[in-house]
Parts: sequence; C-alpha cells; structure tokens
Amino acid sequence: EIVMTQSPSTLSVSPGESATLSCRASQSVNSKLVWDSNLAWYQQKPGQAPRLLIYGASTRATGIPTRFSGSGSGTEFTLTISSLQSEDFAVYYCHQYNNWPYTFGQGTKLEIK
Amino acid sequence: QQQLQESGPGLVKSSETLSLTCTVSGGSISSSSYNWGWIRQPPGKGQECIGSIYYTGSTYYNPSLKSRLTISVDTSNNQFSLELSSVTAADTAVYYCARQRVLGSGSFYIDSWGQGILVTVSS
Repeated sequence: EIVMTQSPSTLSVSPGESATLSCRASQSVNSKLVWDSNLAWYQQKPGQAPRLLIYGASTRATGIPTRFSGSGSGTEFTLTISSLQSEDFAVYYCHQYNNWPYTFGQGTKLEIK
Repeated sequence: QQQLQESGPGLVKSSETLSLTCTVSGGSISSSSYNWGWIRQPPGKGQECIGSIYYTGSTYYNPSLKSRLTISVDTSNNQFSLELSSVTAADTAVYYCARQRVLGSGSFYIDSWGQGILVTVSS
C-alpha cells in the first residue's frame, strides 16, 4: 500500500498571501501508460464532503479558480494556492489513484494567521 | 448535475452488518465512464477507500476489508450498495459514496462525492 505523507499538518497564512502544501508518496504514482501522475487534491470544509480541486497532479477540475495550481511528478507533489481568499481556509488532502488500494494523505489544515 | 445520496442506519450494533445504499440521480449509473465507490473517514482521521464497483458488477475491494465486504450495483434503480459484516467500534466513521472517473489506463479518481452519512457502531 502506498503511504501518502503531507506536510505541514497545519499551515497558518494571512489572507491575500500564498500557501504551498506538500505531499510525498512512498513510491511513484506515475501512470505506466501515459505521461501523467495519478495524484489528486481535495478540499474539505467542516461538515462537508471533500471537493475535487486537481487531478493528474496539475489539471484543475471544472469550476476551480486559477489561484489553485498543482505540480510534481513521481513521489513529490505540491499544491499552491495564491492570493488566499477567506473561503480557502480548509483541510486539503492528496490522494493517489495509481495503485490499489488507493490511499489518501492525512491532510493539511490551512488556517488563518 | 449528477448527485449522490447515501442512506441507511446511523447506528449499528457491534458484530452485526453495516448496510448502506447510494442513490445516483441526474445521470445513469450504467455509464462506461465511471466506477462507483465507497470511502470512509473515521472521526478526526483521513479517508480510506473501501471499494468500488463498475456497472457490470466488476469490483475492487480494499484487502484490509475484503473478508467482510460486499459491494453490489442495482442498475434498474440507479443504486449501489455496501455491506460490511462483523463490525466493531473501529468501523465507526462517516461513509461517503462517490463517483469515480475511469481513465484509459484503468485507474480512476473521485470527481464527485455524496454528502456522507455518520455510522456509529455501538456495543
């Protein structure tokens, strides 16, 4: 089973600033068939279901603002949120869907500084 | 827009079977583009993939739960279901059903979630 490790566990940032969240996989999550990484990012607010932000490591899901960007390959991935808005403060999870069972990171809580 | 809704008892006794159903609305569960999955999140913890099913009945089960798990699909009612037997307190969690986009490689990612249902296992 691939272990996903996110850092930091909590990140305090002021509105308007940028936030960088990291995710590391215990082995590569690159697709064997296409030039792609099977890595997604989700946002979750209290009492709500997670929302898909990024898939394929860097492709924004439908309706996701351009201030959200994903990067990385292999075992190291980053989610960057620029110009933080009040609605962006939430918990963020990375998720690998390359090897079954698919697994999630433990989450990074993004809080207002 | 397609929506998913979980239903079932919120309280299950230890050693009994947890049964949940997910109803899909706004689109057919028989789409070749999607798997349909169950994910759970214990209180204060991260998510765990329980298992997934394609409309043909092909399944993926998490090996850690496989011996206790059954996932089935009812295409006539646009529903899929989860049964987890011999539950313990460790199975207490919010259970989500989800739609999973299938890629050409065979991998699939969650692109839509139900609201989730809290299931508590009591002794």
